[in-house]
Amino acid sequence: QKEVEQDPGPLSVPEGAIVSLNCTYSNSAFQYFMWYRQYSRKGPELLMYTYSSGNKEDGRFTAQVDKSSKYISLFIRDSQPSDSATYLCAMVGTASKLTFGTGTRLQVTL
Amino acid sequence: DVKVTQSSRYLVKRTGEKVFLECVQDMDHENMFWYRQDPGLGLRLIYFSYDVKMKEKGDIPEGYSVSREKKERFSLILESASTNQTSMYLCASRVSAVVRNEQFFGPGTRLTVL
Repeated sequence: QKEVEQDPGPLSVPEGAIVSLNCTYSNSAFQYFMWYRQYSRKGPELLMYTYSSGNKEDGRFTAQVDKSSKYISLFIRDSQPSDSATYLCAMVGTASKLTFGTGTRLQVTL
Repeated sequence: DVKVTQSSRYLVKRTGEKVFLECVQDMDHENMFWYRQDPGLGLRLIYFSYDVKMKEKGDIPEGYSVSREKKERFSLILESASTNQTSMYLCASRVSAVVRNEQFFGPGTRLTVL
């Protein structure tokens, strides 16, 4: 079983929709949680960084962490075609090693 | 803004060749990383370096080596390229694990081994 599970998609939504992206994990040692966005043929770029259970908001993006359920989510409000990308969750536990999900491909259509 | 650059965006090499992938960061970060990214497998850590002259094996170091002679530069070396090393290679840097954990990535090098 992988330490981090993420549905690969693809997920296709119409412009303006609310998008929910999720990851589950099995390692209780994970303390820090990140979401990266990766456009086609580019490197991942950091979107959100959280270290506690609860919500963190940044513009149209909200990251949610539920450590008791070992579940994290990224919500995108008012989705735009420019949000079309692969979204990677990432987690840090002991030894400061980053463990990634496999990524969810999102397509926002006009 | 942190800038991580990689020497090539696309590279085509032949089986058995020695391949050098170069990565440079301009923010005085202590830690640097090499990953490969494959469909369905996500990002897998090859090697990392916490400081100059230091290196640690990641999850899949076989067939690779690294060099970090200067703080800003981290090189990945494929000693004898094989077709199963065809992949997207991503370099990342981090200020230090003590300060913050997020890593900043370069644009990637898509390597094809024929």
